Amino acid sequence: DAGVIQSPRHEVTEMGQEVTLRCKPISGHDYLFWYRQTMMRGLELLIYFNNNVPIDDSGMPEDRFSAKMPNASFSTLKIQPSEPRDSAVYFCASSLRLAGVNEQFFGPGTRLTVL
Amino acid sequence: QQQVKQSPQSLIVQKGGISIINCAYENTAFDYFPWYQQFPGKGPALLIAIRPDVSEKKEGRFTISFNKSAKQFSLHIMDSQPGDSATYFCAASINFGNEKLTFGTGTRLTIIP
Repeated sequence: DAGVIQSPRHEVTEMGQEVTLRCKPISGHDYLFWYRQTMMRGLELLIYFNNNVPIDDSGMPEDRFSAKMPNASFSTLKIQPSEPRDSAVYFCASSLRLAGVNEQFFGPGTRLTVL
Repeated sequence: QQQVKQSPQSLIVQKGGISIINCAYENTAFDYFPWYQQFPGKGPALLIAIRPDVSEKKEGRFTISFNKSAKQFSLHIMDSQPGDSATYFCAASINFGNEKLTFGTGTRLTIIP
């Protein structure tokens, strides 16, 4: 398996622009997570889905952030409009709930820079 | 109550030494405690995990020690090697029907020759 795939790997944009980050989870996994990592705040969970349904979006910082999972093999995280403080590495992770196991597999991340 | 507190923030250990990273939690409903390892430019990856029904779990040079009464758990890396240099995150979750992991703030470990 190719693992979790994220695109783009790097994104540089200007303040006010719309940014869309993409994620393809591991085939067969039923959970998908979006995290944001910064030096100041560490690794923060933004939102997670189970079977394509959003379960907990309490970590989404503002209405400027939105996430969708239209099918089991694709998810997007959108920031509109983007701001410099959104600069961070965004990770997508997926997992398959098995009895006694809760391993999340992380993608390589998207490094977002908002100028 | 959902926080997981991790220390130290950074750690330097000589090659061959023992690296110890500590975490503490408040929520007694947590029942799954994993450690993730992250190398620069990569996503975190599961290293080792423990459930509160045991006090210790060992996998190779990596050991988790768990103290349920103190609500603390720690990662021990024996015979630390330069290849162990990475950032380590502890985490905790309520596993029954909930896959949300609460992560600690991370420890940057550097192993020097």
